[in-house]
Amino acid sequence: AQTVTQSQPEMSVQEAETVTLSCTYDTSESNYYLFWYKQPPSRQMILVIRQEAYKQQNATENRFSVNFQKAAKSFSLKISDSQLGDTAMYFCAFSNGNSGYALNFGKGTSLLVTP
Amino acid sequence: DTAVSQTPKYLVTQMGNDKSIKCEQNLGHDTMYWYKQDSKKFLKIMFSYNNKELIINETVPNRFSPKSPDKAHLNLHINSLELGDSAVYFCASSQDLMGYGYTFGSGTRLTVV
Repeated sequence: AQTVTQSQPEMSVQEAETVTLSCTYDTSESNYYLFWYKQPPSRQMILVIRQEAYKQQNATENRFSVNFQKAAKSFSLKISDSQLGDTAMYFCAFSNGNSGYALNFGKGTSLLVTP
Repeated sequence: DTAVSQTPKYLVTQMGNDKSIKCEQNLGHDTMYWYKQDSKKFLKIMFSYNNKELIINETVPNRFSPKSPDKAHLNLHINSLELGDSAVYFCASSQDLMGYGYTFGSGTRLTVV
């Protein structure tokens, strides 16, 4: 079974600073997908970034970027120039054919951005 | 025009009742899912359907039964509600089985009293 581990239950960062959220996963498969989702207090699940395992290039979306280390099974999220609106729960997730491509989530990291 | 809509958004009910949560997507996606988010915010897959066919059926009590009348709808019916069923239930859809275009609904907060 695939497992996703987020070792930081809570993190805090000041506005305009950079923060990195960690995620590791365990799988014996070579083809899979990795995701970071943001869940603000409104509880809406918002896709932040998606990475295909076969792509070596790290995905980026504006201020959000990932550091994908396939051999180490690590998929960290870097948020640059943090904004108050980035305050949310962040979930790392994994999917592949063995799980029917359902998302397998980590337990989440609660990020607080302070003024 | 909401892509994945769930109704109701909030549901408060007594133990032992039967309730349904409806989900509809207007994205033309082939695959739909139900996820449960517990009080500790942990999200777990419950079911998935592809073109009305059940693909994933995780270990959930038999009291939970999904129904997909067509590929745009996936409803969740829960019999004999228990206190432990209190959670937020998310519907989601994706273009295909590989998960492209994964889109979540806004969730239904179910409270069993």
